[in-house]
Amino acid sequence: EPEVTQTPSHQVTQMGQEVILRCVPISNHLYFYWYRQILGQKVEFLVSFYNNEISEKSEIFDDQFSVERPDGSNFTLKIRSTKLEDSAMYFCASSRQAGYEQYFGPGTRLTVT
Amino acid sequence: SQQGEEDPQALSIQEGENATMNCSYKTSINNLQWYRQNSGRGLVHLILIRSNEREKHSGRLRVTLDTSKKSSSLLITASRAADTASYFCATVVSGNNRLAFGKGNQVVVIP
Repeated sequence: EPEVTQTPSHQVTQMGQEVILRCVPISNHLYFYWYRQILGQKVEFLVSFYNNEISEKSEIFDDQFSVERPDGSNFTLKIRSTKLEDSAMYFCASSRQAGYEQYFGPGTRLTVT
Repeated sequence: SQQGEEDPQALSIQEGENATMNCSYKTSINNLQWYRQNSGRGLVHLILIRSNEREKHSGRLRVTLDTSKKSSSLLITASRAADTASYFCATVVSGNNRLAFGKGNQVVVIP
């Protein structure tokens, strides 16, 4: 069964450094998403992406964040200058249709020191 | 902003018993979905119920939706140890495609 994959599974970085989190969505899906989950808290929406552009973003997704689909398979989240509070689990998801079931990857645990 | 909110309870039940979780939300929705998360892993979609539906079944899962009370419940019948997980409701508002998650319910099924 097709699944969403994410790399790396764990990333440790120093405050102020740039990180890129990578995702390979399910191949026939058209909508892509990033969410994050700070330890012990809710899963929070960051951004959705469709047709090579951002379709929706949350208040969390400020100028420090960017997304890209550099080729036909990868979907990336870049954090330009990481802060301690960016430490969280980051989940990528994809879906065939907007607003319906989303398929999540296993997550990347980002630790900012 | 639109959010699903589960009753903040942790359930601990014996294998074979039923588990019920509730979720409430604040605004009009297009649909409501339930997801499961095993410890430290990704979320798995369980079931979706549209705003014009009142009840839906999938295997051992039964979900209800009451749009007048802005609430939903998830029932897992004949629970198994493998059902041990956190369960989240998530809502979708018309015109958006983001999922707005609740805080989650921790369910422990004791073999």
